[in-house]
Amino acid sequence: GNSVTQMEGPVTLSEEAFLTINCTYTATGYPSLFWYVQYPGEGLQLLLKATKADDKGSNKGFEATYRKETTSFHLEKGSVQVSDSAVYFCALSDPHSGGSNYKLTFGKGTLLTVNP
Amino acid sequence: NAGVMQNPRHLVRRRGQEARLRCSPMKGHSHVYWYRQLPEEGLKFMVYLQKENIIDESGMPKERFSAEFPKEGPSILRIQQVVRGDSAAYFCASSPPSGGTEQYFGPGTRLTVT
Repeated sequence: GNSVTQMEGPVTLSEEAFLTINCTYTATGYPSLFWYVQYPGEGLQLLLKATKADDKGSNKGFEATYRKETTSFHLEKGSVQVSDSAVYFCALSDPHSGGSNYKLTFGKGTLLTVNP
Repeated sequence: NAGVMQNPRHLVRRRGQEARLRCSPMKGHSHVYWYRQLPEEGLKFMVYLQKENIIDESGMPKERFSAEFPKEGPSILRIQQVVRGDSAAYFCASSPPSGGTEQYFGPGTRLTVT
């Protein structure tokens, strides 16, 4: 079955540090890949996505590149801010689920804390 | 332009009671997904519904759990005879009629079973 493995946290960084959160996946076919962010007490917000190999998703300074050869979708940001403190989830949707079914498979999440 | 609405935001039930969780998708959206987030875990898919139809319930426990998305009104996730292990955050997500890969999440309902 499908699975997503992401770097265990928590990750603690100082403001303006470089961020990498690793994510690898197992899936049949060509899934779409996503990063979601969850702020304390809130639901998930889509941060970025990529739908095919070598696509780069980007948003708010965050980037991730769909690497089919390494089955990876690592999240990066060049300079983090205190406001980036949240839980980050890597996820995939499998086009083989059938029809319009794009159910998501999530990693366990990585808690990021950015200190001033 | 309201997003996905869920209510209640917090729900406390004693063991053996019923829990009813409601989800109103974004305007114009006709696909609803329910996910459960256990403590220290990622979200797990439970069920996918379209209006009046359950499309995929492969993630739903076989007993005590049911879901519906009627022609009118919100989607309902029902848990009968709750147990402590049902304590979790339950998230609803919706997507438009054309389907597509992007899902929009509600704020979640945090269920506590005492």
